[in-house]
Amino acid sequence: DVKVTQSSRYLVKRTGEKVFLECVQDMDHENMFWYRQDPGLGLRLIYFSYDVKMKEKGDIPEGYSVSREKKERFSLILESASTNQTSMYLCASSLTGTGNYGYTFGSGTRLTVV
Amino acid sequence: AQSVSQHNHHVILSEAASLELGCNYSYGGTVNLFWYVQYPGQHLQLLLKYFSGDPLVKGIKGFEAEFIKSKFSFNLRKPSVQWSDTAEYFCAVNARFGNEKLTFGTGTRLTIIP
Repeated sequence: DVKVTQSSRYLVKRTGEKVFLECVQDMDHENMFWYRQDPGLGLRLIYFSYDVKMKEKGDIPEGYSVSREKKERFSLILESASTNQTSMYLCASSLTGTGNYGYTFGSGTRLTVV
Repeated sequence: AQSVSQHNHHVILSEAASLELGCNYSYGGTVNLFWYVQYPGQHLQLLLKYFSGDPLVKGIKGFEAEFIKSKFSFNLRKPSVQWSDTAEYFCAVNARFGNEKLTFGTGTRLTIIP
């Protein structure tokens, strides 16, 4: 089974802190994604990466950056956390192909910014 | 860019009732379509997917969905729901010949009353 592991299940950070969310997948998937999930808004794409050191902005990249130095690891960085970034963050990975494989998701990190 | 609409935000049914959750998408090209499910406290799981062939696709746990191209719809159905189907359901779409980026709907919360 493909596994996508997110380093923390729950995080509480203070406003203005720099926050790192880590995601690791173990099945050699080329593509990795960061979404945030908010009630009533569904999942919104923050950033994605289709190769090492490659990244593309999603629909809501403001206030976030990402890093992919190794194929298996994709980090989401909140440069200066704000209360409106309190959310559930989901990492996912997928194979490159005809786009029909779907994603494998991690369990999520619930971030609270106080 | 593609978009997905799920018009039912919260659906409440009794056990053994039939289920149909609506999903409509907007995109000018060929698409792949997915339904994901998130059980309480669990990560998102793929329920079923359509990418070509028979427009009626069957997934896990007795769910099925029908792709109607003329209506840009991919509704999820189950003839008889169980209490264990209580979950949030997300419809998603990506471009068949684009990158792997999935666009999700806002989700439908399904509550089954025993």
